[in-house]
Amino acid sequence: EADIYQTPRYLVIGTGKKITLECSQTMGHDKMYWYQQDPGMELHLIHYSYGVNSTEKGDLSSESTVSRIRTEHFPLTLESARPSHTSQYLCASSGGQGSFFGSGTQLSVL
Amino acid sequence: GENVEQHPSTLSVQEGDSAVIKCTYSDSASNYFPWYKQELGKGPQLIIDIRSNVGEKKDQRIAVTLNKTAKHFSLHITETQPEDSAVYFCAAIVNTDKLIFGTGTRLQVFP
Repeated sequence: EADIYQTPRYLVIGTGKKITLECSQTMGHDKMYWYQQDPGMELHLIHYSYGVNSTEKGDLSSESTVSRIRTEHFPLTLESARPSHTSQYLCASSGGQGSFFGSGTQLSVL
Repeated sequence: GENVEQHPSTLSVQEGDSAVIKCTYSDSASNYFPWYKQELGKGPQLIIDIRSNVGEKKDQRIAVTLNKTAKHFSLHITETQPEDSAVYFCAAIVNTDKLIFGTGTRLQVFP
C-alpha cells in the first residue's frame, strides 16, 4: 500500500482564486512529481523535485508553482485560477521501493 | 528531449487470451521502468517494475521484459480477465531524476 496522499480529491472554484493542492508522502522518498492529466490519457510532467529545497519545471509549461520545504510535503499552488487550469493533477513520489501515485485532485475552474 | 513511446494505444482481447504492450525509451542511462494500471477516476497504480540489472520479472499473470540493448521493455498479461480492462502506462526514469510516461494503452478484455 502506497503512503502518498492528495487533498482535496475534488475542487470546484471560481476564476481568479488562489488555490493550493496538497501532496504528502510518508515513505521518506526524495523524488516527488506533479503531473497534469486531461481525459484521454496522457500524463504530462509539470514539476519535480529531487529533495528539500530543489524544484524543477517539467516538460509541460504550467503557471503553477511548487515548494519543497520538507521531504514529505510537495504542495502545488495556482495564484489565480483560470478555466484553462481545469484538469486532473496527480502527485507521485519515487524511492527504493518504487514510484507511487496519490489518488489525484480533479480541479474545475468556473 | 528524452521520451518514452508506447504501443498500441488501444488493445482488445478475448478473455483468457494474452495481452502485450510495448514501450521504447531514448535515454540509455535509464535504469528503472515501472508499469501502471489506471482505472476510471483513480490515480495510476503501480503493478510491476523492473530495474536495468534484470531482464525479466514475473508476478502471477503479469510479466515485464527489458532489452537494454534495444532500449525497449514490454508488459505481458496472461489469461486476461474483464477486470484487467483499464489504461496501462509504462514509464522510465530519464536524466536520473525525471519519471516520464508513455502515452498509455487502453486495454479492453471482452468476456
